[in-house]
Amino acid sequence: QKEVEQNSGPLSVPEGAIASLNCTYSDRGSQSFFWYRQYSGKSPELIMSIYSNGDKEDGRFTAQLNKASQYVSLLIRDSQPSDSATYLCAVNRNTNAGKSTFGDGTTLTVKP
Amino acid sequence: DTGVSQNPRHKITKRGQNVTFRCDPISEHNRLYWYRQTLGQGPEFLTYFQNEAQLEKSRLLSDRFSAERPKGSFSTLEIQRTEQGDSAMYLCASSLVVLAGDTREQFFGPGTRLTVL
Repeated sequence: QKEVEQNSGPLSVPEGAIASLNCTYSDRGSQSFFWYRQYSGKSPELIMSIYSNGDKEDGRFTAQLNKASQYVSLLIRDSQPSDSATYLCAVNRNTNAGKSTFGDGTTLTVKP
Repeated sequence: DTGVSQNPRHKITKRGQNVTFRCDPISEHNRLYWYRQTLGQGPEFLTYFQNEAQLEKSRLLSDRFSAERPKGSFSTLEIQRTEQGDSAMYLCASSLVVLAGDTREQFFGPGTRLTVL
């Protein structure tokens, strides 16, 4: 079992719809959670971070964290074709280690 | 541009050759990370530095790989005797950590794509 699991997709949604991306992790000691967007051939770009249970909203993006269920999700409202990318979930232990463990990403396609 | 920079952006080499990549982090960031990413996979941790100290190295990392950050600023990653399996995108990221145990967002550079023929 991988430490961070994501559905590989592809996930396809129509323009204007809500896209829901999910991630589960195995290490109960995880404390910091991040969502990155990665366009084909480019490097990951940080879009959201979340550190405590509940929801965190930033524009069209909402991250949701449930540590008891070891689950983190990303909602994208009013999806746009420019949101089409691979979304990577990353998890950190809150120790001096600091490294991120990544899932393999979910590919999202937003159709006009 | 104050982001993370990496050079070269692309490197093609023959099997058995040595290659070296450079990463310049965001100037005030004290932590620097190296990751490797292959097609369809997420980035895989290789090593990281806090200032000039290399604090962790992946157990999966071959002895052919070595990284340095001599003055706590830029870093180099060297791969000796390259193999075809080393072909990947090598990503550098940096972050600012103020308190022990404090993990903050990592910001990635554009990567160096290595092709080993």
